[in-house]
Amino acid sequence: GAGVSQSPSNKVTEKGKDVELRCDPISGHTALYWYRQSLGQGLEFLIYFQGNSAPDKSGLPSDRFSAERTGGSVSTLTIQRTQQEDSAVYLCASSLGQVGETQYFGPGTRLLVL
Amino acid sequence: GENVEQHPSTLSVQEGDSAVIKCTYSDSASNYFPWYKQELGKGPQLIIDIRSNVGEKKDQRIAVTLNKTAKHFSLHITETQPEDSAVYFCAAMRGKLIFGQGTELSVKP
Repeated sequence: GAGVSQSPSNKVTEKGKDVELRCDPISGHTALYWYRQSLGQGLEFLIYFQGNSAPDKSGLPSDRFSAERTGGSVSTLTIQRTQQEDSAVYLCASSLGQVGETQYFGPGTRLLVL
Repeated sequence: GENVEQHPSTLSVQEGDSAVIKCTYSDSASNYFPWYKQELGKGPQLIIDIRSNVGEKKDQRIAVTLNKTAKHFSLHITETQPEDSAVYFCAAMRGKLIFGQGTELSVKP
C-alpha cells in the first residue's frame, strides 16, 4: 500500500556517537538501496540488497558504515563513531528487483552530526 | 565505472517557456535512464524513464530523448509551470543507478 518509509525523519547527534537509520520498503519489493545526499549534491550510492543475495557494499565510504536487511524487508543503516562529514540526507529506495525496474524513494533521514 | 555529467546546474525560465536539461554518460553498456524530480525536503520522485532500445518517450509536457551513439540523453519540459520548480536528477543504470549532480529549475510566474 504505502510508499517507502524512513525513520527518524531528522536526527541530531554528537560526534563519536553511533546512529541507526531505518527503512521500510514497499511491500513485495525485493531490492533495497541506500544513498547519501550531501547538501546541494547528487545521490551517492551506498549499498544494495537483492533478495537473499550477498549485498553490494561497494559504495560504503568507510568501515564505520554498515547495513542489514532482516527478513528481506526492513533495513537498518548504522553509522558508528559519527563524524561531522557524515552529515547528509540518507535516502532509501526499493524496487521490484528486476534490472531497470523503477526505484521508489523514501523521504530520507536528515542527519546532523555536531 | 559509470560516470554521469548533468548540465546546467541551475536553470531559470519564465512560466510557459520550455526547459531542457542534458546528461552524458560514460558506460556504453548502461541500458536504463530515469529522471527524478526532488522537491525541497522530499525524496526524489520518478517523472519519466527511457530504456536503451527507445530513442524518445513523451508523457504530457515531459519528454526524454536518448542518443546512444553520443551517450547523451535529455529532459524536455514544455509549457513550464511554477510547480515544475524543483531539482531534477538524471541517472544511468548498469547494475546500479549512477546519478548526475542535479539541476535546480526555477520557473518564474
